[in-house]
Amino acid sequence: QSALTQPASVSGSPGQSITISCNGTSSDVGGYNYVSWYQQHPGKAPKVMIYDVSNRPSGVSNRFSGSKSGNTASLTITGLQAEDEADYYCSSYTSSTHPFWVFGGGTKLTVL
Amino acid sequence: EVQLLESGGGLEQPGGSLRLSCAASGLTFSSYAMSWVRQAPGKGLEWVSAINGNGGSTYYSDSVKGRFIISRDNSKNTLYLQMNRLRAEDTAVYYCAKHYGDFVHYNPGFDYWGQGTLVTVSS
Repeated sequence: QSALTQPASVSGSPGQSITISCNGTSSDVGGYNYVSWYQQHPGKAPKVMIYDVSNRPSGVSNRFSGSKSGNTASLTITGLQAEDEADYYCSSYTSSTHPFWVFGGGTKLTVL
Repeated sequence: EVQLLESGGGLEQPGGSLRLSCAASGLTFSSYAMSWVRQAPGKGLEWVSAINGNGGSTYYSDSVKGRFIISRDNSKNTLYLQMNRLRAEDTAVYYCAKHYGDFVHYNPGFDYWGQGTLVTVSS
């Protein structure tokens, strides 16, 4: 069982917006602004889309945005495109002794 | 451009050992902490181990502590994971991942990942 809780799947049509939630605790998501979101296409390595809750790395589309409220972080994708279909994982630094970083179980995004 | 290239995966029997390597390029390797993150087939991501920039501090998840050893050779820009007493549940793709900065504590996470190397533990 993953430390952070994500919905198993979400879907949306091209052009629509979707939001993926990531529920943690005060020891991880709620305690630090060190939440990241990773995109993973089948057979590929994860790619960071959002770091420090809401920052986008250079080269990532501004259609991707992140936020946090209490112990819950969210990833929003606007203007859905076919290429956005992938698995998305949230991650947070944690004050638990081991491990230092925890992940969500992943959310499969289907673009209809 | 930062590139991370893992190698050393393969099939090993339970109780056996493997050594993974991760060759880094396009960065000042010693300036960054590094981690190993694994992904069991069809499953999510799991942080395994981390090491700070100069190699002086190492950290492990409870699932591998006492069996795996992380190390680095900054003169060769290479990260290693020595995996001993392997178990079936260690079967996974192992990714090396670069951190922001050379510290481990209060580090935001991972900004670059390698393509992964598959480790299969089975008799």
